[in-house]
Amino acid sequence: EVQLLESGGGLVQPGGSLRLSCSASGFNFNNYALNWVRQAPGKGLQWVSAIHASGASTFYADSAKGRFTISRDNSKNMLYLQMNSLRAEDTAIYYCAKGGSSGTYYMDYWGQGTLVTVSS
Amino acid sequence: EIVLTQSPGTLSLSPGERATLSCRASQSVSSSSLAWYQQKPGQTPRLLIYGASRRATGIPDRFSGSESGTDFTLTISRLEPEDFAVYYCQQYGFSPLTFGGGTKVEIK
Repeated sequence: EVQLLESGGGLVQPGGSLRLSCSASGFNFNNYALNWVRQAPGKGLQWVSAIHASGASTFYADSAKGRFTISRDNSKNMLYLQMNSLRAEDTAIYYCAKGGSSGTYYMDYWGQGTLVTVSS
Repeated sequence: EIVLTQSPGTLSLSPGERATLSCRASQSVSSSSLAWYQQKPGQTPRLLIYGASRRATGIPDRFSGSESGTDFTLTISRLEPEDFAVYYCQQYGFSPLTFGGGTKVEIK
C-alpha cells in the first residue's frame, strides 16, 4: 500500500523558513517523480514543485522560484521542500504527491498534507 | 504557462443525472497529458483520469474523459450520491504544471 506522510508544517513569521518532509513507502521510490501541491484555505489546488525520479531535474511554479527548493533522498525514501522568505500568501496545506507511471507528473497518490501558516 | 479554464464553476444536478465538466487549455497540451481529480470536503484529492481518457485504478466506469484539441471533458454518466464533490483538471505536459480552478458538482 502506497503511503505518503508529510511533516514539518507549522506557524512561521513572514520572512521565515520551514522545511517540509514527506516519508514514502509501499512503492519503488527511486522510480517515480514526486510533487508538492498546496491548497490555501477554501481555495483550489496549486502545483508548487516537482522532482524527477533521479533528482537530476527539478521544476517550480513561478511563486516558488528562488524561494523554495525541492530535493529527495532516494536512500531514505524521503522528499523535502525547503521554503525560505515565506509570505502570508504561502499559507496553505502542502501535499506530497507521487508521480504516475513512465516518469509522468500526474499524481496518483497523495499524502494527508501538512499545514503551513505564515503570520505574525 | 498553460492556463486551464474549467466550466461551469458550479453544476447543480440530481443523483442519476449525467454530469459534463469542461476544461479548456490556453494552448496545446503535450501528448494528452491531462488528468482529472476529485476532492471531497476535508479529504485529499483523488486521481480519476490521466492521459485525458485513462481511468485510474479502482475508478468506476461511470467516469470517462475525452479530448478534442484543447478542450477536455470529464463525464459522469449517472451521478451517485458519493460523486458530489469538486473536480479539478491538471496538465502535466509542460512546466509549470497547472490546475484548473475547479468545478463543484452539487446536489440540486
